[in-house]
Order: sequence, then C-alpha cells, then structure tokens
Amino acid sequence: NAGVTQTPKFQVLKTGQSMTLQCAQDMNHNSMYWYRQDPGMGLRLIYYSASEGTTDKGEVPNGYNVSRLNKREFSLRLESAAPSQTSVYFCASRETGRTNSPLHFGNGTRLTVT
Amino acid sequence: QQQVKQSPQSLIVQKGGISIINCAYENTAFDYFPWYQQFPGKGPALLIAIRPDVSEKKEGRFTISFNKSAKQFSLHIMDSQPGDSATYFCAASGAPGSGNTGKLIFGQGTTLQVKP
Repeated sequence: NAGVTQTPKFQVLKTGQSMTLQCAQDMNHNSMYWYRQDPGMGLRLIYYSASEGTTDKGEVPNGYNVSRLNKREFSLRLESAAPSQTSVYFCASRETGRTNSPLHFGNGTRLTVT
Repeated sequence: QQQVKQSPQSLIVQKGGISIINCAYENTAFDYFPWYQQFPGKGPALLIAIRPDVSEKKEGRFTISFNKSAKQFSLHIMDSQPGDSATYFCAASGAPGSGNTGKLIFGQGTTLQVKP
C-alpha cells in the first residue's frame, strides 16, 4: 500500500521549459490537491479536485494547469516554467466520506527553475 | 493575505523541555484546526486536530489549546525529545458551505530543533 506517489522526486528546468508532475493515490480517495512549499510561506494550495472530473483553483493557481485523469491520478503542468516556480510540490489526497478527514501527502517533487 | 499566521519561525528547545508554537486565524468560518508534522524529505502528516467546541485536546505529549474569542490556537509538546525535531504546520479549514470546506489553509511553519 503505497499511499500517495509523486514523480519525479527532483527536476531541474530552464526558464520557459514545460513539464508535468505526476501524482497517484491508491487509497480510493475522491479529493486530491496540489500544494507548493516555500520557506517562510508554508504550504499554499495551487489546485484541487473534489472528485473525478472536477478541478478548482486554490490560492496560487497562476502559471499552472491540472488534469484529473481518473480517480487515482492528478497531474500538475507547468507550461512555461519561471524561476518563481522553484519550489517543493506536494500532492495530497483525502477521503471525503467523513468530515475533516486528514490529508495524506506524497513525499514531494523538488523543482528548480534556472 | 495570510489567513493563518504562525510563530515562531524556528524554535530550539532542550530535551525534556516544553515546545510551544502559536497560530492565529482571521476567518471566523474556520471550524477545524489540525497540526501537521513534517520530517526532512517527507510530506507532512497529521499530528493532532481540534474543533472549536472544545478548548483543549491532548494526545500523549501533544496538546492543542484553543481560544475561540482570540482566534488563536497553539501546540504544546511536553517533555520534548530529539525525535520531535521536525517542521510543524498549523492549518484551518471551514464548515460546509463556507467556501473553505476541505481546503486546508496552512500557516508558515515552525522548524523545531530539540537538543539532546
């Protein structure tokens, strides 16, 4: 039982390049989230998907797109990477059948944009 | 606009001491206040959580104190151990219909170091 799996673990991009961060969960959770973590800023919500087929913007969506491919997978795409997108990206999922169920996080993707 | 403000940014405590981390929130629609613990190279994991109908919740050495009128809550780690060294995040989310249901808003994080 792997929980939430993120790939890749590390990535270096040049400004203007594109890439997709992959996330998959095996807990049959309905809701999935993408956060970014920056020093002194905590974790900020980029996009979330309350259920398969729906996606919504979070606090900091500019420069990102997402796809909820199926119930298991939720990907985050950077179309034209910028140095300001250098960060650690975390995917999370949660069960929505009960109120305030905990978020289950992956181990993150560390992205550097030069 | 930072809806959840956390302090201090970093904290050093001797083994056996008490670690205290504070958070303040602005949105009165928040009704769920968890704390997450993160070890280096890992994602955050739920440590303990509280709802505003109680003023305190204790789980082992970890206690949340909640002050609804002041819109503040804090994490106390009693008898702190080197294994508690990690980054701690407070968070908040709103009641159904508030627009913040299920979406956790995190504080800035506190890096705790417990010295042997």
